[in-house]
Formats: sequence, structure tokens, C-alpha cells
Amino acid sequence: AQSVAQPEDQVNVAEGNPLTVKCTYSVSGNPYLFWYVQYPNRGLQFLLKYITGDNLVKGSYGFEAEFNKSQTSFHLKKPSALVSDSALYFCAVRDPYSSASKIIFGSGTRLSIRP
Amino acid sequence: GAVVSQHPSRVICKSGTSVKIECRSLDFQATTMFWYRQFPKKSLMLMATSNEGSKATYEQGVEKDKFLINHASLTLSTLTVTSAHPEDSSFYICSAKRFRDSNEKLFFGSGTQLSVL
Repeated sequence: AQSVAQPEDQVNVAEGNPLTVKCTYSVSGNPYLFWYVQYPNRGLQFLLKYITGDNLVKGSYGFEAEFNKSQTSFHLKKPSALVSDSALYFCAVRDPYSSASKIIFGSGTRLSIRP
Repeated sequence: GAVVSQHPSRVICKSGTSVKIECRSLDFQATTMFWYRQFPKKSLMLMATSNEGSKATYEQGVEKDKFLINHASLTLSTLTVTSAHPEDSSFYICSAKRFRDSNEKLFFGSGTQLSVL
């Protein structure tokens, strides 16, 4: 069975510092991996995805994520955090051989950027 | 960009009553909509997949008579929690897939916090 884990409920970073939000997954075969962000009172927004190709994926708002097959991880990163990055972040995984609806979300990590 | 409107954002109801949650795609046609439930500090759990004009497909363990889903048009899907009980209190989110978009390109509503007294 496929699953995704976000080990940190909350991540606190000072503005201007690099940030990392961790995600590990478990899926048979080659996974499709995603990051979504949820701002207060807003729906989830797609940030980036990894399907195949370069292990470093660049997405919206300056975020990037690195696919590491050996560690089964897909950590979200940003070189320099902004206060406006404060939000709830969800990692998600899908088995490419399963149906479209079978995207599995992690429990979310609340990112808090202090000025 | 595509916008999904979910209404209401928050609802409080008495035990035994029914609550309807609407999910609308405002500027695109959504051939498929998904309904999720989120418990505190838990991941989003897919409840059902709703296709316009056909019956919803429910995930294992989700009571279809409890959570009625209707997708009568290409822009509207509704989730009705029937005879709600306190254990139904949760955060419900919908998402929509636009016709011909890839399966990963989902647009989410802002969610509905349901509290059953």
C-alpha cells in the first residue's frame, strides 16, 4: 500500500534562512510525488510535482523539492524563507498505475516564518 | 487560474440534522470532483470520487447512505451529511479536475469545518 509521511507537525524558520519541510513515501514502483500549500481560509494550491527526469524539481514561489529514491524522500526546500511562506504544506504521492483519485496526502506540516 | 468555491466554510448543527456542502467550479467544467475528510493532525482522506451524471464511487469504509454525493452538473457537486452525529465533526474539502487536464492537476476548495453538537 502506498503512504506518505511528514514527520514534523511544525517547522519554524527565521526570515531569510533556508527552509526544509520533510516528506518520505512508500509506494511500489516509481512514484508520482507532489507538494501542495494551503494558506489560511484558502484551498490547497499545487506547488510542484515529480514524475520523472531531473531529481530536483522547481515549483511556484521559489520552492523546489529533491527526489531521493534511495532514501524514499521528497523534501521541500527554499533557499531564503519569506514571512509570506507561512502556511500548511502537504506532501502527496500517487502510484502511477492507480486511478486518478488515489492521491494520498501526508498529515501536513505547518511552516512558520518569523520576521 | 481555475477557482473552486466551497460553501459554507463553517457550519454548526445539531445532532440528527442533515448538512449540505457545495463545491462549485467557477470558471471551468469539472468532469470529476473529489471529496476528502481531514481530522486534526491527520492527512486528507479521500471519501469519494464524483463524476458528473453518474453515481459517486466511495472509498472503502465510507458509508454512501451517510454521505450523499450528487454531481448534477459540470460545475457543481454536493456532499450531504445525513443525520449528522458528533463523530462526523471534521474538516471536509473538495477538489475538482478540469476536463482534459492531467490527473494530478486538481483545484481545491477552501474546505468546510463541520461541528455537530
